[in-house]
Amino acid sequence: DTGVSQDPRHKITKRGQNVTFRCDPISEHNRLYWYRQTLGQGPEFLTYFQNEAQLEKSRLLSDRFSAERPKGSFSTLEIQRTEQGDSAMYLCASSSTTQKSTDTQYFGPGTRLTVL
Amino acid sequence: DAKTTQPPSMDCAEGRAANLPCNHSTISGNEYVYWYRQIHSQGPQYIIHGLKNNETNEMASLIITEDRKSSTLILPHATLRDTAVYYCIVRVTTNTGNQFYFGTGTSLTVIP
Repeated sequence: DTGVSQDPRHKITKRGQNVTFRCDPISEHNRLYWYRQTLGQGPEFLTYFQNEAQLEKSRLLSDRFSAERPKGSFSTLEIQRTEQGDSAMYLCASSSTTQKSTDTQYFGPGTRLTVL
Repeated sequence: DAKTTQPPSMDCAEGRAANLPCNHSTISGNEYVYWYRQIHSQGPQYIIHGLKNNETNEMASLIITEDRKSSTLILPHATLRDTAVYYCIVRVTTNTGNQFYFGTGTSLTVIP
């Protein structure tokens, strides 16, 4: 257990529905990252926050995806009008730039999304 | 895009050292090498990282060549629980922060 938690762990939804995932980072970690991982591939970067500011977004993050970190603590990732191609594991990671940790990312267990 | 190249799979006998190679020939001077592993259906687990010098912790050792174009992760006494996909990552520094770009990793199987 790294201290990063994600909820839910599994989500099954029908195509066209909206889904929202939550990530709680390690306490006092100022950076938070979202990744997507499909079968047989490594995680792909989606977006990242420093405190509440979203500083970078991948081109993978289409208009149907939105992420927030309103108070600089937990974060949510919402997918609107889900498509079957959205089926994947969604991973959250957090890191700290204020400790002597060289910004090492610690990952949560992931949320597995299945779109029917 | 990933800046690393790893063999897709390797086997190792239980109790022996597992040596996992990684090429990162385009690495820049201030970019760190990180290693993570991922056991099926779990999130990636941090193992070790380094910049120029060799590093060792309770999990593994990291050997980085002098020219920094390649590295080797060493698990000194592999156990069955070390069976996982191992990712070698070069941490890229952008204008807004540090990014990890994962490749497809090396699938290590520890054989009894």
